[in-house]
Amino acid sequence: AAGVIQSPRHLIKEKRETATLKCYPIPRHDTVYWYQQGPGQDPQFLISFYEKMQSDKGSIPDRFSAQQFSDYHSELNMSSLELGDSALYFCASSRSGYEQYFGPGTRLTVT
Amino acid sequence: DAKTTQPPSMDCAEGRAANLPCNHSTISGNEYVYWYRQIHSQGPQYIIHGLKNNETNEMASLIITEDRKSSTLILPHATLRDTAVYYCIVRVLEYGNKLVFGAGTILRVKS
Repeated sequence: AAGVIQSPRHLIKEKRETATLKCYPIPRHDTVYWYQQGPGQDPQFLISFYEKMQSDKGSIPDRFSAQQFSDYHSELNMSSLELGDSALYFCASSRSGYEQYFGPGTRLTVT
Repeated sequence: DAKTTQPPSMDCAEGRAANLPCNHSTISGNEYVYWYRQIHSQGPQYIIHGLKNNETNEMASLIITEDRKSSTLILPHATLRDTAVYYCIVRVLEYGNKLVFGAGTILRVKS
């Protein structure tokens, strides 16, 4: 069965640079979620989109923005990167409000 | 979203049933109980969910008490590959509604 696809899988950036993470949901899923997991921490919700509209928002820094496109894929844009942004970033998708299926994650390292 | 309480860790012998408890005494009538697990740095994996009836799928069984204040996830025949962090999450079924990951249970399956 098709799964959530995230790209890139690994990303290394320097402080103050920008990064763009991409997420391709499972076919026919209309909702996308972004989560951040720092070292030794539990996943923390950032933001979600349902039918291309923002539906819920967590503790997402103002330096981050995201959107969902007409083909339902989503991108998380991160600017002015800080060392503390180093983390695993997971995307999940669901059909409406049902169970969420997670991708393999993008490991972002900021140096 | 209601808060959940889980034991920090549990051990289980390979081949035996693993019973993971969760307390959610402040759960609301429209909140579902979800279980996810995360195997080291992989994306969280959906296991099962329920509202008030007991549920079973190919991975596990979910037993919810009649007052819905607690539940138990049962892995009937644990294997070494079931070693993971297990999260019990209560959530309203709504478009784009987030998962709130608290401190889950580290399950160690031992041979």
